[in-house]
Amino acid sequence: GENVEQHPSTLSVQEGDSAVIKCTYSDSASNYFPWYKQELGKRPQLIIDIRSNVGEKKDQRIAVTLNKTAKHFSLHITETQPEDSAVYFCAASGNTGNQFYFGTGTSLTVIP
Amino acid sequence: NAGVTQTPKFQVLKTGQSMTLQCAQDMNHEYMSWYRQDPGMGLRLIHYSVGAGITDQGEVPNGYNVSRSTTEDFPLRLLSAAPSQTSVYFCASSYWGGEDIQYFGAGTRLSVL
Repeated sequence: GENVEQHPSTLSVQEGDSAVIKCTYSDSASNYFPWYKQELGKRPQLIIDIRSNVGEKKDQRIAVTLNKTAKHFSLHITETQPEDSAVYFCAASGNTGNQFYFGTGTSLTVIP
Repeated sequence: NAGVTQTPKFQVLKTGQSMTLQCAQDMNHEYMSWYRQDPGMGLRLIHYSVGAGITDQGEVPNGYNVSRSTTEDFPLRLLSAAPSQTSVYFCASSYWGGEDIQYFGAGTRLSVL
């Protein structure tokens, strides 16, 4: 099956700085790469996603880039705010498209 | 729409007991799935279903059973609980499978003593 690796496991940034989280995947057949944000004690919620026919996608302060050749994708958060503090998970869809494989998460802390 | 509803929110079991975690969605989603979340491990897929009457195994299916008799409901059964099954369990659903936005329930925190 798919193997998704995520780095770093923890990240602290000053408010207003940018944060970057990187993921690699192993299955070249994966076509869908979402990012989920999970606040403490809450459910994961989608913040942005990208499909394999697109190299970059942006939504306000959040952007995701995908390099299919190198099999890695990254989440970029600009102008970070304290409410961005949470755990972020990347995921890949795998070769059947019916399973999700999550990374192990990045705990982001934005220091006011 | 209530979205994805999980019950119970918390449960404590003794080793060897069985129980069913309930999951229901009111969005007419065909795809439903169960994950467990353990510290440092992310979310791991237990079982999933692409429609009523169809289920399949995920990454970590051992010790769990599922069934899908209706589009709305996807219960997860622990046959004989073990301490290794202590975890937070999330149910999720989407319109058409793993390449679509997953909507998660609020989770069930399970402790097995």
